Amino acid sequence: EDQVTQSPEALRLQEGESSSLNCSYTVSGLRGLFWYRQDPGKGPEFLFTLYSAGEEKEKERLKATLTKKESFLHITAPKPEDSATYLCAVLTRTAGGTSYGKLTFGQGTILTVHP
Amino acid sequence: NAGVTQTPKFRVLKTGQSMTLLCAQDMNHEYMYWYRQDPGMGLRLIHYSVGEGTTAKGEVPDGYNVSRLKKQNFLLGLESAAPSQTSVYFCASSPRQGNTEAFFGQGTRLTVV
Repeated sequence: EDQVTQSPEALRLQEGESSSLNCSYTVSGLRGLFWYRQDPGKGPEFLFTLYSAGEEKEKERLKATLTKKESFLHITAPKPEDSATYLCAVLTRTAGGTSYGKLTFGQGTILTVHP
Repeated sequence: NAGVTQTPKFRVLKTGQSMTLLCAQDMNHEYMYWYRQDPGMGLRLIHYSVGEGTTAKGEVPDGYNVSRLKKQNFLLGLESAAPSQTSVYFCASSPRQGNTEAFFGQGTRLTVV
């Protein structure tokens, strides 16, 4: 059974204090790993897609990396507006293993950045 | 650009009532998903579909049924609603290539009393 675990569950930072969020996974046949941001009362907003170990993507203060067993979302010098829940998801094979298409999310990390 | 549209946005049901949530996408995506999200938790996969006429169970399928009769629509049914099904439901779709992100609807807030 595919499993996605995010840590920590919650993270409180001071503005400018860099840190990392973790997403570890145990899956069969990874097709891609996705990072999303979700603000209260809204649907998830796409951030990054990673496909192979060693791959890195950057966007403003965020940088995502991928290894064979986990992904990190690094936040450099965060601002209060970066406060949100960050979700990772993996795209894997269906139950029958005949195709890809199953998208499983972790439970998320709630990030709070204080001014 | 409508993207993914969920109907309704809010609903209150009495225990034992039935209802259907509709998800419609206009991007010609093969994959569609239904998730539920409870306070402090991520998105839990209820059912998904990898193409018209196909459905598969996710992590928490009990108490729900789905149908994908048309490629653009994915319906989630609750035959006999229970208070434990009070949640926010999100629908999403993505293309088969898997090289792009899933697009989400705005969510349906369901309360079962």
